[in-house]
Amino acid sequence: GQNIDQPTEMTATEGAIVQINCTYQTSGFNGLFWYQQHAGEAPTFLSYNVLDGLEEKGRFSSFLSRSKGYSYLLLKELQMKDSASYLCAVLDSNYQLIWGAGTKLIIKP
Amino acid sequence: DTAVSQTPKYLVTQMGNDKSIKCEQNLGHDTMYWYKQDSKKFLKIMFSYNNKELIINETVPNRFSPKSPDKAHLNLHINSLELGDSAVYFCASSQDSPDRIGTQYFGPGTRLLVL
Repeated sequence: GQNIDQPTEMTATEGAIVQINCTYQTSGFNGLFWYQQHAGEAPTFLSYNVLDGLEEKGRFSSFLSRSKGYSYLLLKELQMKDSASYLCAVLDSNYQLIWGAGTKLIIKP
Repeated sequence: DTAVSQTPKYLVTQMGNDKSIKCEQNLGHDTMYWYKQDSKKFLKIMFSYNNKELIINETVPNRFSPKSPDKAHLNLHINSLELGDSAVYFCASSQDSPDRIGTQYFGPGTRLLVL
């Protein structure tokens, strides 16, 4: 079967750094995606990794290791507005997105 | 200039009724999707559709049917609604190319409550 694991919930402090991990086992791999979903809203695209390494985009970075089936999303200089769920998703061999359950990130002042 | 829009935003209905949710995208995308997000927040793909192919998730009951009058619209029709259908339904779209298909744009969601 296909499986994506990420922590259910994390808590961090405003101004700090947090790393959200994602491990996956899928039938084929055509890229890994991170989406942000604020409560009561739709998911929005954050980042895309298809090759190993780190992709940086402002305060957010995403890392991929295909051999380990592992990715992380790194959020720096946390702001209160970063409180949201972060969804890890993998594009499988059929080019279907397989979604994790999401990590709820709580930011405290 | 909303990219992906859905109507209605909220839908409260009785068990056994038939209802439709409409979705439109103005991004010029070739592929559209319907997702169900349950109370545990899992996003489950129900359908993906482009002008060539409809892909149905085999776990979706045949009470659910997508209807696409043109490539900018993908509506979801649900027959004989059940209590377990209560969830948030998201429409999404993307380009069809392999390097863009995972970058999906979502509508605001339709919150369906079946009583």
